[in-house]
This record gives sequence, structure tokens and C-alpha cells, in this order.
Amino acid sequence: GAVVSQHPSRVICKSGTSVKIECRSLDFQATTMFWYRQFPKQSLMLMATSNEGSKATYEQGVEKDKFLINHASLTLSTLTVTSAHPEDSSFYICSARLLAGVNEQFFGPGTRLTVL
Amino acid sequence: AQSVTQLGSHVSVSEGALVLLRCNYSSSVPPYLFWYVQYPNQGLQLLLKYTSAATLVKGINGFEAEFKKSETSFHLTKPSAHMSDAAEYFCAVRGYYQKVTFGTGTKLQVIP
Repeated sequence: GAVVSQHPSRVICKSGTSVKIECRSLDFQATTMFWYRQFPKQSLMLMATSNEGSKATYEQGVEKDKFLINHASLTLSTLTVTSAHPEDSSFYICSARLLAGVNEQFFGPGTRLTVL
Repeated sequence: AQSVTQLGSHVSVSEGALVLLRCNYSSSVPPYLFWYVQYPNQGLQLLLKYTSAATLVKGINGFEAEFKKSETSFHLTKPSAHMSDAAEYFCAVRGYYQKVTFGTGTKLQVIP
């Protein structure tokens, strides 16, 4: 099956710093990638939809200047949490969808971000 | 608009007993429906999906789900629970614009 990786799996940073999370589709090309955030004991909340070569579409309430998304190629999307604060601590999960016409999303293993 | 409701945030069953996790959905377009499993500190793994073909869908690890349009339900079942089934399960619906909406999850506990 299609494999999606995320790097790093865990990151601890100081408040005020920026953190970049990578999401890669390893064996397929993904025109669309999605970024989710999951707080403890809660469901996944879609943050943004990332299309290769264009600007990401952010969900209501998600600050685009704080959560920078770049989808530079068909196999890589990055999420940068800028000026991180403790309330940004969460589990961030990406998913990738095969080229248009296929309906399944494949999820990465997630990145645990802890901001001190 | 679309939404998913999972009844019961926690479900406990004895090992070998029937597993039933409930999911009801709403969607203004014919939905695609999914069940995912999440183990602690891991991403989501697809168990099964409904994409308008057969209403009874069989997935991995012995799970299956039945799409019932009249009841707007997509409940997940497994005849005999195994200790390794203990995890959190998410029902999800995909509707307009390929967006996937997740339910709040059901944590399954399997008692030996």
C-alpha cells in the first residue's frame, strides 16, 4: 500500500522558536496533502489542505501566518509552526491523496510537538 | 455540510466477545465512509472503507461494517475481540471537496 512518512516523529522546542515538520509520500505522487492536529483525547481536526504548486487552503480559525505550509513537490509537504507556544503542543498528522480520481487518503505516523 | 457522531467514547468488551462500535453520519452528498484505528502515539491506519459499492464492507483484522442509508449508520463490528484490538477507533466521512470529517473517536478496551 501507499506509504506516508513524517519527520521528525517527536520534537521538543523552546517557546518562540520555529519547527518544521515534513510529510513525504514514499511510493506515490500526491497532488493533495492534508494537515491535521490532534489534541489529547480528541479527534483529528483538519488544519489545511495543501495542493502541489499552489497556496494552501486553511480551515477557519487556523492562522496561516503561524502555520506555514509548503507543498513544493508531488512527494513533499512541510508544515512550519512559527514562534511556537506551549498551546501549540499537539500531535500533528499529515495525509496524502493519490492523484485526482482516487478517494483514499494515506496517513503519516504523526509528529508529537512539545513546546516548553 | 457533513458530520460524524460516534456513540460512546469508551467501550469495554471481554476477550472473545462481540465488538460493536457505533457511527452515524450526515452528508449532503453520497458519502464515502471510513473506519480508522489509532494505536497510542501513532498515526491512523485504515480498517475499511465504503465507496458506494457493497453495503457490507470487510476490512483488516476481522473487522467489518455495514452501510445503512436509511439509518445513516456505518457501525463497525468484529465477532470476537482480541487483546490486540485495544485501540482508539475513528469513523470518518468524506463529502464535498474531498474533505474528510472525523468523529470524536471510541476507545476500545478489551478485558482478558
